[in-house]
Amino acid sequence: DQQVKQNSPSLSVQEGRISILNCDYTNSMFDYFLWYKKYPAEGPTFLISISSIKDKNEDGRFTVFLNKSAKHLSLHIVPSQPGDSAVYFCAASANNFNKFYFGSGTKLNVKP
Amino acid sequence: DTAVSQTPKYLVTQMGNDKSIKCEQNLGHDTMYWYKQDSKKFLKIMFSYNNKELIINETVPNRFSPKSPDKAHLNLHINSLELGDSAVYFCASSRETGGNTEAFFGQGTRLTVV
Repeated sequence: DQQVKQNSPSLSVQEGRISILNCDYTNSMFDYFLWYKKYPAEGPTFLISISSIKDKNEDGRFTVFLNKSAKHLSLHIVPSQPGDSAVYFCAASANNFNKFYFGSGTKLNVKP
Repeated sequence: DTAVSQTPKYLVTQMGNDKSIKCEQNLGHDTMYWYKQDSKKFLKIMFSYNNKELIINETVPNRFSPKSPDKAHLNLHINSLELGDSAVYFCASSRETGGNTEAFFGQGTRLTVV
């Protein structure tokens, strides 16, 4: 039973435009959410996170939005660059969970 | 200097063999994990260790046995390998368990059982 879901397996965006990656979760106990970026043959690398006490966190071109009532978060990348092409994983956790729950990833392709 | 390193990167072996994957982190983290990325690309927790103590064993077959000689190392031993064990295995570490902390991942070990 997947508690973190990324329903779009892939997304294609033109360079310079905005990329929006979505993630839904089912467990209301989650209070910390993360986005990871993964290139082929490499491990996931941490990108950005958000605590449940916030609804937005921004870091350069990357912004994560959290809608707790909808149990939904999204990652916005603007402007998108070809180097952003990778698989993006959404993850969630809570203080007493001792682990991270991951979605299945969304493969982003940014076209030059 | 790699923060979380695991070896080997690729492992091809026959059914029935016993193999090990090593993992080391130089971040000074207290918590280490093993995740398995299955054919559907989900990253699923297998084990979680905090300061060399097992805190999560996520219904993994007994053929999988983690070993943590110290808090910087978490090795994964797999006995009697089966075809279904073929997957990418990721080691990770974090400053603490769960909560407001991020995990740092190794590059993964692609295990192929033939």
